[in-house]
Amino acid sequence: DQQVKQNSPSLSVQEGRISILNCDYTNSMFDYFLWYKKYPAEGPTFLISISSIKDKNEDGRFTVFLNKSAKHLSLHIVPSQPGDSAVYFCAARIQGKSTFGDGTTLTVKP
Amino acid sequence: KAGVTQTPRYLIKTRGQQVTLSCSPISGHRSVSWYQQTPGQGLQFLFEYFSETQRNKGNFPGRFSGRQFSNSRSEMNVSTLELGDSALYLCASSLEGQYNEQFFGPGTRLTVL
Repeated sequence: DQQVKQNSPSLSVQEGRISILNCDYTNSMFDYFLWYKKYPAEGPTFLISISSIKDKNEDGRFTVFLNKSAKHLSLHIVPSQPGDSAVYFCAARIQGKSTFGDGTTLTVKP
Repeated sequence: KAGVTQTPRYLIKTRGQQVTLSCSPISGHRSVSWYQQTPGQGLQFLFEYFSETQRNKGNFPGRFSGRQFSNSRSEMNVSTLELGDSALYLCASSLEGQYNEQFFGPGTRLTVL
């Protein structure tokens, strides 16, 4: 049973437009959510996070939205840039243990 | 401040052998977690160590084990390697506290022939 799912394996957007990456989870006990970005041949790097007591967190071009009733979170990147092209993982934590989704490959076309 | 380092970066083994991977966390980080990444399975949590004690464990067979030393460096061991163990093994460190983000190393690419 996969507790964290990223249903879209890939997403392609035009430079300057909005990228929306989605993530669904099943365990309502998760209390902290994070997004990571991963380039080939590198480990994931932390992007942005949100506590379960909030519904939005913003950092520059990146905004994470959390809908607890729907058990859904999303990452918005505005405006998208070619350098944003990477694999994006969402992760959910409970008691210090992180569960990751399978990732979504974002391609931003110039 | 130096990042998380993992050695070796690449490793080729044959079935039945064992392997030990090493991870040095960021200075001051006492929590070290290990993950397995395969193309079809995403990042799978192996275990977490904190202050030399295993604090969390994922759903992997007993062939996968680890330990942490007093300087927070961690090792992961896989015995009796199987073809399916071929993967990228990632180590991540974080400060004490469950709400801190994890900093990942570049990973060790293990190939089992």
